[in-house]
Amino acid sequence: GAGVSQSPSNKVTEKGKDVELRCDPISGHTALYWYRQRLGQGLEFLIYFQGNSAPDKSGLPSDRFSAERTGESVSTLTIQRTQQEDSAVYLCASSPTGSLGYTFGSGTRLTVV
Amino acid sequence: ELKVEQNPLFLSMQEGKNYTIYCNYSTTSDRLYWYRQDPGKSLESLFVLLSNGAVKQEGRLMASLDTKARLSTLHITAAVHDLSATYFCAVDSNSGNTPLVFGKGTRLSVIA
Repeated sequence: GAGVSQSPSNKVTEKGKDVELRCDPISGHTALYWYRQRLGQGLEFLIYFQGNSAPDKSGLPSDRFSAERTGESVSTLTIQRTQQEDSAVYLCASSPTGSLGYTFGSGTRLTVV
Repeated sequence: ELKVEQNPLFLSMQEGKNYTIYCNYSTTSDRLYWYRQDPGKSLESLFVLLSNGAVKQEGRLMASLDTKARLSTLHITAAVHDLSATYFCAVDSNSGNTPLVFGKGTRLSVIA
């Protein structure tokens, strides 16, 4: 596609439920990143995929968070047993190999009630 | 661990005035990025600075990089309301695709 696509754009879920967020990167972009942005805050790195290499999961805040990526295509970020502190905008970005800078998606606004 | 600090975090300025946003980072890097974020929107790339002394300008915004001082500045000239947004700087510490580390952002409000 022309840009990085994320779905859903908004998600309201009850505390304790699992949620799955989707990111469809720009075609041909080998690198994919997930960031979290809490209200009024900066971007917090979560996880990074580069081609077929093992993902860099160093930013995942707890074992409730996991992410998968199918080849160099779609990625899903799963949050299990959601907590209120998980409420945030989850941003996905992609870039070609060796590129300088990212293209961001519009984000998924997650609200845990 | 790479850390990125921006200041100020909040900036209210009058139309027509000039101001500078500062971005300091903690480890050696020669790649620095500036992004803009409008409320409720995603991040838009503004500048990519790749070497010591790099300077880039777009309209009323000018960004520069001093890798020896580990400092980048975003200078705003003759501010207009349309520049109201949050500005983030970001740094990566290696070549290739490594996660960018972002500053906390500077929320700019330009008032008449």
